[in-house]
Amino acid sequence: AQKITQTQPGMFVQEKEAVTLDCTYDTSDQSYGLFWYKQPSSGEMIFLIYQGSYDEQNATEGRYSLNFQKARKSANLVISASQLGDSAMYFCAMRGPLGDSGYALNFGKGTSLLVTP
Amino acid sequence: DGGITQSPKYLFRKEGQNVTLSCEQNLNHDAMYWYRQDPGQGLRLIYYSQIVNDFQKGDIAEGYSVSREKKESFPLTVTSAQKNPTAFYLCASSPYGAGPATNEKLFFGSGTQLSVL
Repeated sequence: AQKITQTQPGMFVQEKEAVTLDCTYDTSDQSYGLFWYKQPSSGEMIFLIYQGSYDEQNATEGRYSLNFQKARKSANLVISASQLGDSAMYFCAMRGPLGDSGYALNFGKGTSLLVTP
Repeated sequence: DGGITQSPKYLFRKEGQNVTLSCEQNLNHDAMYWYRQDPGQGLRLIYYSQIVNDFQKGDIAEGYSVSREKKESFPLTVTSAQKNPTAFYLCASSPYGAGPATNEKLFFGSGTQLSVL
């Protein structure tokens, strides 16, 4: 089974600084997709960024970028110029080949990010 | 606006009672999912459905049941057999994509918080 590991339960960052949230994954498949979601205190899940296993370039979406190191099986999220509104839980997730869970995403346990003034 | 609607936002269950959580989507998505979120546990897959009149168990299906009679609707019943139902429940949908390494993200509802009286 695929496993997603987020080793940082909580992180602090000062406003306007950059922060990296770690994510490692374990799979023997060659074809997979990696996703990051943000969950504010309201509970909604907000999609941030996607990286496919065959993508050669690191994904970027505005202030979000994904540091994809395939050989190390890591997909770290980098948030540049942090804002107070970035305070939230952040989840890394992976989709693998069609199997026991269809095409459902498999989530890590999350990292709680607090941005301070 | 297209999206996923979950109701109710808060739900209370008495001992021995079955309760049903509603999930409706107007995104014309084929696939729908139910996740359970406990503090510090991330999201865990309960059930998923890739097509109408078909659904499959996820990682933690015991004590839950679902139906998929319409494309738009995927209700989740928490039965009395689920001894620890207190959690935040998230419904999601996605197009039934072409493979794992595709950027077909999951769209989430706003969640239902279920508590035991």
